[in-house]
Order: sequence, then C-alpha cells, then structure tokens
Amino acid sequence: AQRVTQPEKLLSVFKGAPVELKCNYSYSGSPELFWYVQYSRQRLQLLLRHISRESIKGFTADLNKGETSFHLKKPFAQEEDSAMYYCALRRAAGNKLTFGGGTRVLVKP
Amino acid sequence: GAVVSQHPSWVICKSGTSVKIECRSLDFQATTMFWYRQFPKQSLMLMATSNEGSKATYEQGVEKDKFLINHASLTLSTLTVTSAHPEDSSFYICSAPGNTYEQYFGPGTRLTVT
Repeated sequence: AQRVTQPEKLLSVFKGAPVELKCNYSYSGSPELFWYVQYSRQRLQLLLRHISRESIKGFTADLNKGETSFHLKKPFAQEEDSAMYYCALRRAAGNKLTFGGGTRVLVKP
Repeated sequence: GAVVSQHPSWVICKSGTSVKIECRSLDFQATTMFWYRQFPKQSLMLMATSNEGSKATYEQGVEKDKFLINHASLTLSTLTVTSAHPEDSSFYICSAPGNTYEQYFGPGTRLTVT
C-alpha cells in the first residue's frame, strides 16, 4: 500500500526567509506526486505536480525517486503563503489520491 | 476552472438521525467522485469512491451501511450518514477528477452530531 509522510506539522518562518516542506512517500510503482494547498476558509486546490516541473507562486518541488521524496521549496516566503500544505500521491492507474498528514506554514511579518 | 459544490456547508443533527450531504460538479461531468473525511487539524482520509451507475467502492475500515453513497447522475453524488453518532462529527469533503490529472475539491461540509 502507498503512504505519504509529512514529518513537520508546523513550519514557522519569517517573511523573506526560505521555506522547505518535506514529503516522503512509499509506493512500489511509479507514482504521480502533487502538492495541494488550503488557504484559510478556502477549499483544497492544486499547487503543483511533479510531471509539470513548473514553478507556481514561487514554489518548486523535485521528485527524487532515489530518496522517495517530493519536497516543496520556496526561496523567499511571503505572508500570503501561510496555509496548510498537503503532499499527495496518485498511483499510475486510477484517480485516487493518498494524502500526507499536512504541514501548516505560518509566515510571520 | 471546474467547480465542485457541496450542500449543506454545515449541518447539526441529533444522535440516531440520518443526514444527507450532496456533492455536485457544476460545469463538468464526473463519472467518479471521491468522499473524504477530515478530523480537526488532521489530513484527509479517503472514505469511498462514488461511481455513476454502479456501487460505490469503500476503503478498508469504512462501514458501507453507515455511509451510504449514491451517484445519482453525472453531476451529483450524495453521502448519507445513517444513524449518526457524535463520533461521526467531522468535516466531509468530496472531489471530482477533471479531464486530465487535476482533482477539484468541494468546500466541505461540517457535520456536528449532538
């Protein structure tokens, strides 16, 4: 069975500081990895996925198959980045997502 | 982008009663929808996959007789919590996959059982 682990429940950083959210997964096949974000009082929305290899809102994430990780990074955090972030895995076949426990990011002014 | 709605956004019910939660895809069709449960300050736990025209598929440990799912049409899935108990109090979220890789999430329904 697949599993997604986000070791940090809370990350508190100052505005302008770098932030890195860790995500590790276990899955025997070739997964698709995603980062979803949930801002206060809003619904969950897709931030980025590993296949697209793009930067969204300054965030990037690289899939490291050797370390089975998909860490999310941003070099200069902004106050509007304060939110809950969930790492999620989707198996090669099907649409079911397995979520990590989530990391709350708090960016202080 | 695609929008998924849920109704109601918040419901309070008494123990022993049943409550129905609706999930609608507003501008796209969804043959599959997913129902999640989220406890306070915890992650989303997949409960079941709702399939249009066939039975729902439940995740291990989820009581199918307690959480009835009906995928009535290509835009509507309902979750009925039967004989609700206080431990069923939670945030219930649905999602529907789009045309490609993205899943669209509803805003969630907060259920409080007194």
